[in-house]
Amino acid sequence: SQTIHQWPATLVQPVGSPLSLECTVEGTSNPNLYWYRQAAGRGLQLLFYSIGIDQISSEVPQNLSASRPQDRQFILSSKKLLLSDSGFYLCAWSEQGGHEQYFGPGTRLTVT
Amino acid sequence: DQQVKQNSPSLSVQEGRISILNCDYTNSMFDYFLWYKKYPAEGPTFLISISSIKDKNEDGRFTVFLNKSAKHLSLHIVPSQPGDSAVYFCAASALSGAGSYQLTFGKGTKLSVIP
Repeated sequence: SQTIHQWPATLVQPVGSPLSLECTVEGTSNPNLYWYRQAAGRGLQLLFYSIGIDQISSEVPQNLSASRPQDRQFILSSKKLLLSDSGFYLCAWSEQGGHEQYFGPGTRLTVT
Repeated sequence: DQQVKQNSPSLSVQEGRISILNCDYTNSMFDYFLWYKKYPAEGPTFLISISSIKDKNEDGRFTVFLNKSAKHLSLHIVPSQPGDSAVYFCAASALSGAGSYQLTFGKGTKLSVIP
């Protein structure tokens, strides 16, 4: 069966510091991968998605970037965090051609 | 502009009764709809889905109804149980320019089932 991992689970970082969140998927190959953010009291906002290695599409211009160095690895990064980057970050995967997305446990990021 | 709307931020239901969660959408390009359940500090869990060519899909206690002409869908949970207490997200799927399906989410409805 497929599993999706995210780490770290929680992170507290000062403004201006870098960020790296990692997501890996097991039990499937060539998945579509997604990064979402849920701000307090808001829905899920799609940040990036990827249909293959080094193929990244950005949905929202911002302070963040994403990379997919391996088939089942998706990384969310920032060079300098802003206070507004605080939120709950979720990674998800789907099969190629599939509608259903399956989410990881999330990372709670607090920028202080 | 919100393309997927869940107009009720919260809903309280007595245990054993029916819970009805509603969702409206505006984009006619959406062709598949999903419901997710989310507990605090966890990722959303896929619950049930429906294709735009159907008007009903049932899975155990959960049924999703789609009224395409009204651009409205609803999730029925019967009977409701305390463990159903969570935030429920409605999502709509459309094909992106890159050839993958993308989901647009509503803001969620917090369901509380009272024992």
